[in-house]
Amino acid sequence: AQSVTQLGSHVSVSEGALVLLRCNYSSSVPPYLFWYVQYPNQGLQLLLKYTSAATLVKGINGFEAEFKKSETSFHLTKPSAHMSDAAEYFCAVSVVEAAGNKLTFGGGTRVLVKP
Amino acid sequence: KAGVTQTPRYLIKTRGQQVTLSCSPISGHRSVSWYQQTPGQGLQFLFEYFSETQRNKGNFPGRFSGRQFSNSRSEMNVSTLELGDSALYLCASSLALAGAETQYFGPGTRLLVL
Repeated sequence: AQSVTQLGSHVSVSEGALVLLRCNYSSSVPPYLFWYVQYPNQGLQLLLKYTSAATLVKGINGFEAEFKKSETSFHLTKPSAHMSDAAEYFCAVSVVEAAGNKLTFGGGTRVLVKP
Repeated sequence: KAGVTQTPRYLIKTRGQQVTLSCSPISGHRSVSWYQQTPGQGLQFLFEYFSETQRNKGNFPGRFSGRQFSNSRSEMNVSTLELGDSALYLCASSLALAGAETQYFGPGTRLLVL
């Protein structure tokens, strides 16, 4: 079974500073990895996904993530935080199984951006 | 192209009642998955439907059930509601079975059980 761990349930960054959200996964087979963002009272919006084409994945809103197999990590970064980045971010893993497929989510990291 | 729609957006029920939630996927998408989001347990997978067949199921009691219609629309039913069923229920659709496919989420149905 796969699992996802997001280090830090809350992260506070200053506007213009680097955003770094950590995600480690556990999977016995090559995973597909996703980052989603959730704004208050809304559903989840895909930021980016890794499907083995390239280890550095660029997403929307200036976010990117790097897949590191040796570290089983898929950390999300953005060079310069904007006030509009305040939201909750979820890392998720999907594995193709005989029983079917599903997304397994991490616990989420809530980002606060200080002016 | 319209996104995933969920109805109703908000529901208040009392313990013991049952509830049915509806999800209309993006046009052309054949896979629909359901998730429960609570502050304590986070996002948890309920089930996935593809071509009217349940393909995978999460660790939820039998009170939680679902179905998918020939037009890919899906419904989720919770019977004998408990206080702990209060949650945001999210529906997601994808072109094919989830895996590498991106799942697109609806805005959710917020259920409050009193």
